[in-house]
Amino acid sequence: AQTVTQSQPEMSVQEAETVTLSCTYDTSESDYYLFWYKQPPSRQMILVIRQEAYKQQNATENRFSVNFQKAAKSFSLKISDSQLGDAAMYFCAYRSAAGVGGSEKLVFGKGTKLTVNP
Amino acid sequence: DGGITQSPKYLFRKEGQNVTLSCEQNLNHDAMYWYRQDPGQGLRLIYYSQIVNDFQKGDIAEGYSVSREKKESFPLTVTSAQKNPTAFYLCASKRGGPYGYGYTFGSGTRLTVV
Repeated sequence: AQTVTQSQPEMSVQEAETVTLSCTYDTSESDYYLFWYKQPPSRQMILVIRQEAYKQQNATENRFSVNFQKAAKSFSLKISDSQLGDAAMYFCAYRSAAGVGGSEKLVFGKGTKLTVNP
Repeated sequence: DGGITQSPKYLFRKEGQNVTLSCEQNLNHDAMYWYRQDPGQGLRLIYYSQIVNDFQKGDIAEGYSVSREKKESFPLTVTSAQKNPTAFYLCASKRGGPYGYGYTFGSGTRLTVV
Protein backbone atom coordinates (compact mmCIF):
# COMPACT_ATOMS: atom_id res chain seq x y z
CA ALA A 1 0.00 0.00 0.00
CA GLN A 2 1.10 3.50 -0.70
CA THR A 3 2.16 5.73 2.16
CA VAL A 4 2.80 9.44 2.40
CA THR A 5 5.11 10.97 4.99
CA GLN A 6 5.35 14.58 6.06
CA SER A 7 8.27 14.81 8.45
CA GLN A 8 7.64 18.37 9.64
CA PRO A 9 4.64 18.58 11.99
CA GLU A 10 5.08 22.36 12.25
CA MET A 11 6.88 25.07 10.31
CA SER A 12 7.03 28.83 10.60
CA VAL A 13 8.02 31.58 8.17
CA GLN A 14 8.25 35.34 8.21
CA GLU A 15 5.85 37.22 6.03
CA ALA A 16 7.27 37.81 2.51
CA GLU A 17 9.87 35.06 2.89
CA THR A 18 10.02 31.62 1.31
CA VAL A 19 9.30 28.30 2.99
CA THR A 20 9.52 24.71 1.79
CA LEU A 21 7.35 21.89 3.11
CA SER A 22 8.62 18.34 2.70
CA CYS A 23 6.77 15.24 1.55
CA THR A 24 7.99 11.77 0.70
CA TYR A 25 5.93 8.83 -0.48
CA ASP A 26 6.32 5.15 -1.02
CA THR A 27 4.92 3.37 -4.05
CA SER A 28 5.80 0.66 -6.51
CA GLU A 29 3.77 2.29 -9.26
CA SER A 30 5.24 4.34 -12.05
CA ASP A 31 2.20 6.44 -12.89
CA TYR A 32 0.41 8.46 -10.26
CA TYR A 33 -0.64 11.93 -9.17
CA LEU A 34 0.53 14.01 -6.25
CA PHE A 35 -1.31 16.86 -4.59
CA TRP A 36 -0.88 19.52 -1.96
CA TYR A 37 -3.98 20.58 -0.07
CA LYS A 38 -4.34 23.53 2.27
CA GLN A 39 -6.67 23.47 5.28
CA PRO A 40 -7.07 26.89 6.92
CA PRO A 41 -8.74 27.34 10.31
CA SER A 42 -12.14 27.15 8.58
CA ARG A 43 -11.18 23.47 7.92
CA GLN A 44 -12.19 23.71 4.27
CA MET A 45 -9.78 21.61 2.19
CA ILE A 46 -8.42 23.59 -0.74
CA LEU A 47 -6.39 22.13 -3.60
CA VAL A 48 -3.16 24.09 -3.92
CA ILE A 49 -1.27 22.29 -6.65
CA ARG A 50 -1.02 18.93 -8.37
CA GLN A 51 1.68 17.04 -10.25
CA GLU A 52 1.44 14.19 -12.74
CA ALA A 53 4.25 11.70 -12.23
CA TYR A 54 4.84 11.32 -15.96
CA LYS A 55 5.65 15.01 -16.28
CA GLN A 56 9.23 16.01 -15.60
CA GLN A 57 8.39 19.67 -15.35
CA ASN A 58 7.57 20.84 -11.85
CA ALA A 59 4.08 22.29 -11.38
CA THR A 60 3.67 25.96 -10.52
CA GLU A 61 0.62 27.94 -9.38
CA ASN A 62 1.44 31.59 -8.75
CA ARG A 63 3.48 31.70 -5.52
CA PHE A 64 3.30 27.93 -5.06
CA SER A 65 5.65 25.54 -6.76
CA VAL A 66 6.79 21.98 -6.24
CA ASN A 67 10.07 20.16 -6.43
CA PHE A 68 9.18 16.71 -7.72
CA GLN A 69 11.98 14.17 -7.52
CA LYS A 70 10.52 10.92 -8.84
CA ALA A 71 13.53 8.72 -8.21
CA ALA A 72 13.79 9.95 -4.64
CA LYS A 73 9.99 9.81 -4.22
CA SER A 74 10.01 13.34 -2.92
CA PHE A 75 7.42 16.05 -3.51
CA SER A 76 8.14 19.30 -1.65
CA LEU A 77 6.04 22.46 -1.75
CA LYS A 78 7.67 25.88 -1.94
CA ILE A 79 5.70 28.94 -0.96
CA SER A 80 7.27 32.20 -2.10
CA ASP A 81 6.50 35.66 -0.73
CA SER A 82 4.56 34.13 2.17
CA GLN A 83 1.39 35.91 3.20
CA LEU A 84 -0.58 35.84 6.44
CA GLY A 85 -3.36 34.04 4.58
CA ASP A 86 -1.02 31.13 3.85
CA ALA A 87 -1.17 30.08 7.49
CA ALA A 88 -2.84 26.68 7.52
CA MET A 89 -2.36 22.93 7.70
CA TYR A 90 -0.85 21.59 4.51
CA PHE A 91 -1.43 18.02 3.43
CA CYS A 92 0.47 16.08 0.82
CA ALA A 93 -1.56 13.40 -0.97
CA TYR A 94 -0.98 10.55 -3.43
CA ARG A 95 -3.30 8.93 -5.92
CA SER A 96 -2.68 6.09 -8.28
CA ALA A 97 -3.24 6.73 -11.98
CA ALA A 98 -4.52 3.22 -12.53
CA GLY A 99 -8.06 4.54 -12.30
CA VAL A 100 -9.75 1.36 -11.23
CA GLY A 101 -11.04 0.05 -7.94
CA GLY A 102 -9.32 1.24 -4.81
CA SER A 103 -6.72 3.16 -6.73
CA GLU A 104 -9.20 6.00 -6.92
CA LYS A 105 -8.59 6.93 -3.34
CA LEU A 106 -6.34 9.72 -2.12
CA VAL A 107 -3.77 8.78 0.50
CA PHE A 108 -2.83 11.66 2.78
CA GLY A 109 0.15 12.50 4.91
CA LYS A 110 -0.40 13.65 8.49
CA GLY A 111 0.05 17.30 7.63
CA THR A 112 2.33 20.24 8.39
CA LYS A 113 1.06 23.21 10.32
CA LEU A 114 2.42 26.42 8.79
CA THR A 115 2.56 29.61 10.83
CA VAL A 116 3.25 32.92 9.11
CA ASN A 117 4.74 35.59 11.36
CA PRO A 118 4.13 39.28 10.56
CA ASP B 1 -22.62 27.46 -7.77
CA GLY B 2 -21.64 23.81 -7.77
CA GLY B 3 -20.20 22.26 -4.67
CA ILE B 4 -20.55 19.81 -1.83
CA THR B 5 -22.81 20.46 1.11
CA GLN B 6 -22.28 18.68 4.40
CA SER B 7 -24.76 18.94 7.22
CA PRO B 8 -24.96 19.52 10.03
CA LYS B 9 -21.80 21.49 10.77
CA TYR B 10 -21.81 20.34 14.41
CA LEU B 11 -23.41 17.17 15.72
CA PHE B 12 -23.66 15.79 19.22
CA ARG B 13 -24.42 12.17 19.90
CA LYS B 14 -25.13 10.25 23.03
CA GLU B 15 -23.27 7.02 23.52
CA GLY B 16 -25.16 4.09 22.03
CA GLN B 17 -26.93 6.16 19.38
CA ASN B 18 -26.57 5.99 15.64
CA VAL B 19 -26.23 9.27 13.77
CA THR B 20 -26.22 10.07 10.06
CA LEU B 21 -24.07 12.72 8.43
CA SER B 22 -25.34 14.18 5.20
CA CYS B 23 -23.28 14.80 2.06
CA GLU B 24 -24.83 16.21 -1.13
CA GLN B 25 -23.06 17.34 -4.30
CA ASN B 26 -24.33 19.07 -7.42
CA LEU B 27 -21.13 18.73 -9.42
CA ASN B 28 -22.29 15.66 -11.32
CA HIS B 29 -19.28 13.81 -9.96
CA ASP B 30 -19.31 10.03 -10.10
CA ALA B 31 -17.09 9.24 -7.13
CA MET B 32 -17.69 10.22 -3.52
CA TYR B 33 -15.64 9.66 -0.39
CA TRP B 34 -15.82 9.92 3.38
CA TYR B 35 -12.74 10.77 5.41
CA ARG B 36 -12.20 11.04 9.11
CA GLN B 37 -9.76 13.61 10.49
CA ASP B 38 -8.22 13.38 13.96
CA PRO B 39 -5.52 15.67 15.35
CA GLY B 40 -2.10 14.53 14.19
CA GLN B 41 -3.56 11.74 12.05
CA GLY B 42 -4.22 13.38 8.74
CA LEU B 43 -7.22 12.15 6.79
CA ARG B 44 -8.18 8.50 6.83
CA LEU B 45 -10.59 6.95 4.35
CA ILE B 46 -13.78 5.43 5.74
CA TYR B 47 -15.82 4.51 2.66
CA TYR B 48 -15.93 5.42 -1.00
CA SER B 49 -18.30 4.99 -3.89
CA GLN B 50 -17.48 5.19 -7.57
CA ILE B 51 -20.99 4.63 -8.87
CA VAL B 52 -24.57 4.62 -7.67
CA ASN B 53 -25.56 1.55 -5.64
CA ASP B 54 -21.96 0.52 -5.15
CA PHE B 55 -19.45 1.36 -2.42
CA GLN B 56 -16.30 -0.04 -0.88
CA LYS B 57 -14.72 -0.02 2.54
CA GLY B 58 -11.77 2.21 3.15
CA ASP B 59 -9.08 1.84 5.76
CA ILE B 60 -11.23 2.43 8.85
CA ALA B 61 -14.75 1.26 7.93
CA GLU B 62 -15.56 -0.56 11.17
CA GLY B 63 -18.49 1.04 12.97
CA TYR B 64 -19.63 3.01 9.92
CA SER B 65 -22.12 2.41 7.14
CA VAL B 66 -23.02 4.23 3.93
CA SER B 67 -25.48 4.16 1.07
CA ARG B 68 -25.39 5.51 -2.47
CA GLU B 69 -28.93 5.48 -3.80
CA LYS B 70 -28.51 8.69 -5.77
CA LYS B 71 -25.53 10.12 -7.59
CA GLU B 72 -25.82 13.34 -5.63
CA SER B 73 -25.96 11.86 -2.15
CA PHE B 74 -23.62 9.78 0.00
CA PRO B 75 -24.75 9.75 3.64
CA LEU B 76 -22.56 8.29 6.37
CA THR B 77 -24.02 6.59 9.43
CA VAL B 78 -21.88 6.40 12.53
CA THR B 79 -23.18 3.41 14.45
CA SER B 80 -22.97 2.59 18.13
CA ALA B 81 -20.29 0.04 17.20
CA GLN B 82 -17.84 2.83 16.45
CA LYS B 83 -15.80 2.99 19.65
CA ASN B 84 -14.36 6.46 19.27
CA PRO B 85 -16.58 8.48 16.95
CA THR B 86 -15.61 11.97 18.10
CA ALA B 87 -13.82 13.46 15.10
CA PHE B 88 -14.09 15.79 12.14
CA TYR B 89 -15.67 14.16 9.09
CA LEU B 90 -15.04 15.30 5.54
CA CYS B 91 -16.93 14.32 2.43
CA ALA B 92 -15.37 14.67 -1.01
CA SER B 93 -16.20 13.99 -4.63
CA LYS B 94 -14.33 13.58 -7.89
CA ARG B 95 -15.07 13.19 -11.56
CA GLY B 96 -14.86 9.59 -12.66
CA GLY B 97 -12.19 8.15 -14.89
CA PRO B 98 -8.46 7.55 -14.70
CA TYR B 99 -7.53 11.22 -14.68
CA GLY B 100 -5.61 13.25 -12.20
CA TYR B 101 -8.47 15.34 -11.01
CA GLY B 102 -8.27 16.54 -7.45
CA TYR B 103 -11.06 16.02 -5.01
CA THR B 104 -13.62 18.67 -4.11
CA PHE B 105 -14.29 18.71 -0.38
CA GLY B 106 -17.24 19.73 1.70
CA SER B 107 -16.83 21.97 4.73
CA GLY B 108 -17.03 19.08 7.17
CA THR B 109 -19.07 17.92 10.17
CA ARG B 110 -17.70 17.95 13.68
CA LEU B 111 -19.16 15.00 15.62
CA THR B 112 -18.89 14.91 19.39
CA VAL B 113 -20.04 12.10 21.64
CA VAL B 114 -21.48 13.36 24.91
